[in-house]
Amino acid sequence: NAGVMQNPRHLVRRRGQEARLRCSPMKGHSHVYWYRQLPEEGLKFMVYLQKENIIDESGMPKERFSAEFPKEGPSILRIQQVVRGDSAAYFCASSPPRQAYTGELFFGEGSRLTVL
Amino acid sequence: GEDVEQSLFLSVREGDSSVINCTYTDSSSTYLYWYKQEPGAGLQLLTYIFSNMDMKQDQRLTVLLNKKDKHLSLRIADTQTGDSAIYFCAESPGGSYIPTFGRGTSLIVHP
Repeated sequence: NAGVMQNPRHLVRRRGQEARLRCSPMKGHSHVYWYRQLPEEGLKFMVYLQKENIIDESGMPKERFSAEFPKEGPSILRIQQVVRGDSAAYFCASSPPRQAYTGELFFGEGSRLTVL
Repeated sequence: GEDVEQSLFLSVREGDSSVINCTYTDSSSTYLYWYKQEPGAGLQLLTYIFSNMDMKQDQRLTVLLNKKDKHLSLRIADTQTGDSAIYFCAESPGGSYIPTFGRGTSLIVHP
C-alpha cells in the first residue's frame, strides 16, 4: 500500500505565477488535510477536505489560496499570484474515515515551494 | 502565544534517555500525539494518548500526560543515533479532530 504521494517535491516559481501542489491519499483514505510549514515555524493547519467537500478551511488565507478534492484524482492546493512569503513546505496528510476521529494522520513527504 | 509549545533543541549522548517536553493550552484536548520527522521526509505518528490516561508505554517510548498542568512529555530510553529527528507534539481539541502542532524539537544524538 503506497503512502501519501505528493508532487512535485520541489517547485520554484517567480512572484505572480501560480503554484499547483498535488496530493494522492493512501488507498482507502477519503480525508485529506493540508498543512504549511514556514521556515523556523511549526506546521500550520490550512484545510481539511473529504471527497468533493471542503470540511474546514479555517487555516486558509482568504485570498489567492484554494483547495479541492474531486471525486476522481488527487487533491490540489492552488496558490495564485505567489509572493515570497508563500515559500514553505506544504504537507498533505490523509486518514481513513474511522481513524479520522482520532486525528491519526498519515503524511506525505511534502512539496517545497520556493518563490523567487 | 502558540497553542502548543515545545523547546526547539535537545542534545543527548547515545545510550542516555531523552525527554522531550510539550505544553498546550486547550483544556478540551481529547487526544495528544507525538510525531517524528526525519530529514526530507513527512511526519510519522509515533504514539498518541487519550486525555483520560496519564501514561502510555510502548517499547522504548513512554508518554506522560499531566492534564492539570497541560504538560505532555515523551521519554525515549536508550537513545540511538537513529532517533535523531524532529519530534512534534500535537493536540486535537474536543469537537475537532484536526491536530494542532507545535514547532518541533530537534533531537540530536551524539555517539
